[in-house]
Amino acid sequence: DTEVTQTPKHLVMGMTNKKSLKCEQHMGHRAMYWYKQKAKKPPELMFVYSYEKLSINESVPSRFSPECPNSSLLNLHLHALQPEDSALYLCASSQDRARGLGSPLHFGNGTRLTVT
Amino acid sequence: AQTVTQSQPEMSVQEAETVTLSCTYDTSESDYYLFWYKQPPSRQMILVIRQEAYKQQNATENRFSVNFQKAAKSFSLKISDSQLGDAAMYFCAYRSQTLTSGTYKYIFGTGTRLKVLA
Repeated sequence: DTEVTQTPKHLVMGMTNKKSLKCEQHMGHRAMYWYKQKAKKPPELMFVYSYEKLSINESVPSRFSPECPNSSLLNLHLHALQPEDSALYLCASSQDRARGLGSPLHFGNGTRLTVT
Repeated sequence: AQTVTQSQPEMSVQEAETVTLSCTYDTSESDYYLFWYKQPPSRQMILVIRQEAYKQQNATENRFSVNFQKAAKSFSLKISDSQLGDAAMYFCAYRSQTLTSGTYKYIFGTGTRLKVLA
């Protein structure tokens, strides 16, 4: 069982739709991440939240809008996406400012997004 | 900027045999963590093993072990007694020191696809 839960597992949306991806963790982690992964490629970092504040935005287009309502939840709002945005979107969490724990990333199962 | 390189796009191993996956990285930092993640077709990224840079002893987790050569900036993964369930994409990852924001940044290599032959 995964400790990071992502919904939905699959999403098909048109270029004019608005949808949201959701991520939830209950491990008490204070850092949460959104990654985008294309087939046979490594995950690419999009956003990082630390203590519910956006700390990293890797120059992601504004059609992707992250939100961290509380320490357990992370959303990614999608609007006016392009077909090239089709990918696996992975959420992850980790302990932060926790030197000595070697805090790894804990990943969810991802949302497979198809933009038509 | 840190970089992570996995030079083997694909590897094959016979069941019950041993295989080594290569990873090199470039950094000017002295303290950092290195990880190996496994991503099977089910697509979840699973932590296999981690290594802290200031520990000279190589990490071991059951059938998985690393050969960490800090001076050479090399971090290879050895899988012993390979099993069919080991077939997956393997990613090497580097975790930087804490940024000013208090956030770690993880940098992934391009991955090695491991096939296990029965």
